[in-house]
Amino acid sequence: DQQVKQNSPSLSVQEGRISILNCDYTNSMFDYFLWYKKYPAEGPTFLISISSIKDKNEDGRFTVFLNKSAKHLSLHIVPSQPGDSAVYFCAASQYSGAGSYQLTFGKGTKLSVIP
Amino acid sequence: EPEVTQTPSHQVTQMGQEVILRCVPISNHLYFYWYRQILGQKVEFLVSFYNNEISEKSEIFDDQFSVERPDGSNFTLKIRSTKLEDSAMYFCASNNGLGEKLFFGSGTQLSVL
Repeated sequence: DQQVKQNSPSLSVQEGRISILNCDYTNSMFDYFLWYKKYPAEGPTFLISISSIKDKNEDGRFTVFLNKSAKHLSLHIVPSQPGDSAVYFCAASQYSGAGSYQLTFGKGTKLSVIP
Repeated sequence: EPEVTQTPSHQVTQMGQEVILRCVPISNHLYFYWYRQILGQKVEFLVSFYNNEISEKSEIFDDQFSVERPDGSNFTLKIRSTKLEDSAMYFCASNNGLGEKLFFGSGTQLSVL
């Protein structure tokens, strides 16, 4: 059951260039989509999210685009920096009632930003 | 910035033994979660907890698992009789109930021998 898919296990990008990480989903009932960043030996750290009723959300160097018809979202990092090197998880959230959100994660994409 | 803390960072146990993984969620958060990640696999939802009871649980969270909030600050995951396949990184998370963002701890690496 792969409701959230990240088809690229790894991505290498030159410092200063754009990093584009992709994610596909199958469940149209998801109401939020989130990106988490994870360094080794640490927990996932929230990066940015987007509501299912929007198509773009921007926060500094990070922009998330959502294409609902294609059930696809992407995270753009511009410009990429060596400190961005980490595993990026796409996650989809379904509101479970009474304030509880359950996240379904993709397998992650390991981003390497080359100086 | 407030954070979710988990102890221990590593736990090694023998198959069949009971383990308790501990978490201190962010202090004003109301919703608590356990997730796990088996090496090389996805982060998977185990259970959510609100108002001193389980809100939701996944198929993974069988009778061997239980959660408890024994006091006002701790949130624990107990595995009664560990199996080899319970070896994973276990993440605790919390949420203030006002949005979709979950805050995760650094995890406990459980190794069952």
